[in-house]
Amino acid sequence: QSVLTQPPSVSGPPGQRVTISCSGSTSNIGSTYVYWYQQLPGTAPKLLIFRDDQRPSGIPDRFSGSKSGSSASLAISGLRSEDEADYYCATWDDSLSPPYVFGTGTKVTVL
Amino acid sequence: QVQLQESGPGLVKPSETLSLRCSVSGGSISSFYWSWVRQPAGKGLEWLGRIYGNGYTEYNPSLESRVTMSVDMSNNQLSLKLWSLTAADTAMYYCARHMGRNDGLDVWGRGTTVTVSS
Repeated sequence: QSVLTQPPSVSGPPGQRVTISCSGSTSNIGSTYVYWYQQLPGTAPKLLIFRDDQRPSGIPDRFSGSKSGSSASLAISGLRSEDEADYYCATWDDSLSPPYVFGTGTKVTVL
Repeated sequence: QVQLQESGPGLVKPSETLSLRCSVSGGSISSFYWSWVRQPAGKGLEWLGRIYGNGYTEYNPSLESRVTMSVDMSNNQLSLKLWSLTAADTAMYYCARHMGRNDGLDVWGRGTTVTVSS
C-alpha cells in the first residue's frame, strides 16, 4: 500500500479540464518535490511534471502541477483522446521506507 | 540522447535468482543515479532501489534482504539481482535514470517482462 493516495479514476469529455489529486504527508509531499508520470497503454512511464510544477521539454502546457501542504495535484486542461493513460505521482520520503514512492495511480478516461 | 534497454531471462522458476541488465547508451553511467522500478500486470509502480555510478546503493526495505544492484562501468551497464523468487515477483521491470541526486526519473527503458513460474 502506497503512502501516496490518488483517486483510482477520473474522466471527462474532450476539451474539459480534469484534476488528479495526490495526498501524502509531512514526511514526503510536505517536505520535498512532487513528480508526475504518464503511462500510456503498453508503454513505459514518462516524466510529465518535475519539481512540483515544471514541465520537461516537449510536454504541452495543458499539463500543470501544483502543491499545497501535503497534497499535490495534476491538472489536464483541454482534455484530448491521447491523454487517456495512467498517471502516477511520486516523491521522496524522509521516513524509513521506501525513499522514493509512487502514488497508487489514476486512470484517466476520455469520454 | 541517453537510451536504456533492459534484458533478462523472461521466465524464472520459483526460489531461483533473477538477473536483469540495463544497457545504457548515449551517455555515461558514472555521474547519475539509476533506479529499478517494477510493475505487476494491471497494477501500480513499485520502486525497488537505486544505484549511483560509484556503486552506492539504496534499496526498498521491503526487498532489501534479497536484492542487489551493481554497475559495470566498462560495459556501461546496470544489473539487478533478486533472489528467492515467488510468483509475487512476476512483473515488468524497468530501469530509469534520475535527473539528480534526489530528483525525478527522466529517462526510462522500455522494460522487460519477468514471469516466475515452474
